[in-house]
Amino acid sequence: GQQVMQIPQYQHVQEGEDFTTYCNSSTTLSNIQWYKQRPGGHPVFLIQLVKSGEVKKQKRLTFQFGEAKKNSSLHITATQTTDVGTYFCAGPSGAGGTSYGKLTFGQGTILTVHP
Amino acid sequence: DAGITQSPRHKVTETGTPVTLRCHQTENHRYMYWYRQDPGHGLRLIHYSYGVKDTDKGEVSDGYSVSRSKTEDFLLTLESATSSQTSVYFCAISDSGVTDTQYFGPGTRLTVL
Repeated sequence: GQQVMQIPQYQHVQEGEDFTTYCNSSTTLSNIQWYKQRPGGHPVFLIQLVKSGEVKKQKRLTFQFGEAKKNSSLHITATQTTDVGTYFCAGPSGAGGTSYGKLTFGQGTILTVHP
Repeated sequence: DAGITQSPRHKVTETGTPVTLRCHQTENHRYMYWYRQDPGHGLRLIHYSYGVKDTDKGEVSDGYSVSRSKTEDFLLTLESATSSQTSVYFCAISDSGVTDTQYFGPGTRLTVL
């Protein structure tokens, strides 16, 4: 079945350093989504990328979707303590029009920011 | 945040006892999902529903059953809880008209002793 791999599993940075997490799918994706989960919280939708090679920015966060639509990355510039949490990528699972909105999630990258 | 609640939020139970977790939404979304979250495994789909009385298995469905008798409620039942089912359980909903974006409830932390 479809697999979505995410690396690294953990990342520890000093406040002000940059951070990147990478996501790779075993299959071509129609879109890819990113979610953030704060410690003790629930996953919250951040963004969706749909087009091949698409780049989107949200303040210090930059999201990219690969040309082959099988990989994606999230880059945070100048991390802050508020960036702490787990970042997940997710792609639609199931075939064609029968996916029922299901998503396959990567294992997540746990980001720790030291002040 | 989307109108999703989960109950109970925390539960401690003993091996062999039945447990039911409830997910309630006020968004009238068609699709509902149950996930479990364990360290190193991310979010794994247990069961999902694509309408009232329409449910199907996810990737880790063994030992779990679900029911959806109303649009707003999706129940997850552990018929006979085991220690391996100690986890954090999240419910999610989706309109899935175009984007497949999912909105998550606050989660239930279940401990099986």
